[in-house]
Amino acid sequence: QLQLQESGPGLVKPSETLSLTCTVSGGSISSSLYYWGWFRQPPGKGLEWIGTIYYSGSTYYNPSLQSRVTISIDKSKNQFSLEVRSETAADTAVYFCARHKGGSGHYYVDFWGQGTLVTVSS
Amino acid sequence: DIVMMQSPATLSVSPGERAILSCRASQSVGSNLAWYQQKPGHAPRLLIYDASTRATGIPVRFSGSGSGTEFTLTISSLQSEDFAVYYCHQYTIWPPRYTFGQGTKLEIK
Repeated sequence: QLQLQESGPGLVKPSETLSLTCTVSGGSISSSLYYWGWFRQPPGKGLEWIGTIYYSGSTYYNPSLQSRVTISIDKSKNQFSLEVRSETAADTAVYFCARHKGGSGHYYVDFWGQGTLVTVSS
Repeated sequence: DIVMMQSPATLSVSPGERAILSCRASQSVGSNLAWYQQKPGHAPRLLIYDASTRATGIPVRFSGSGSGTEFTLTISSLQSEDFAVYYCHQYTIWPPRYTFGQGTKLEIK
């Protein structure tokens, strides 16, 4: 059964860089059928797409975050990762990794990790 | 970006009754619309994709309809476990510019 597990620090200081990793088990991150994404949800608020990566390394980012975000993939470890630079309190959120499924340029999220709360505070 | 607007923000319904949730897109998304259920402290769960296709394991009381800019999620007979927040999500554009509605909270009346 597919599992996605986020890992990383729960507390980040303002202006520092957040780094999170998503470990995929029960499936291969190298499959051509899927894309892999990061989303976040501030406390009590809705969902926001951060960015998406394909096994080939192609990346796609939310324009509002693109200047501060990098997503990478490590096929040998079946993991993909997120970096968000210059963190502020507005980046405090639950961060989710997820799998995109679909085809022909239309990919919905069919599976989510459990999420990890990241708090930005000194 | 395509803006997704959900209504109502909160819906109060009694168990056993039917709930109808709406989602409107600021421009056509075709049938590239998904619905998710989220309970407190949990990740979203895919209910419907391609506007009307139930995801694996989703009960038949959940149904989706619509295309273009107007979409509906119907829960035919509410069970206690259905009270949660529901989000719609468009995935029509490539390269992706994914957006979500702000959510509808379905609460017990």
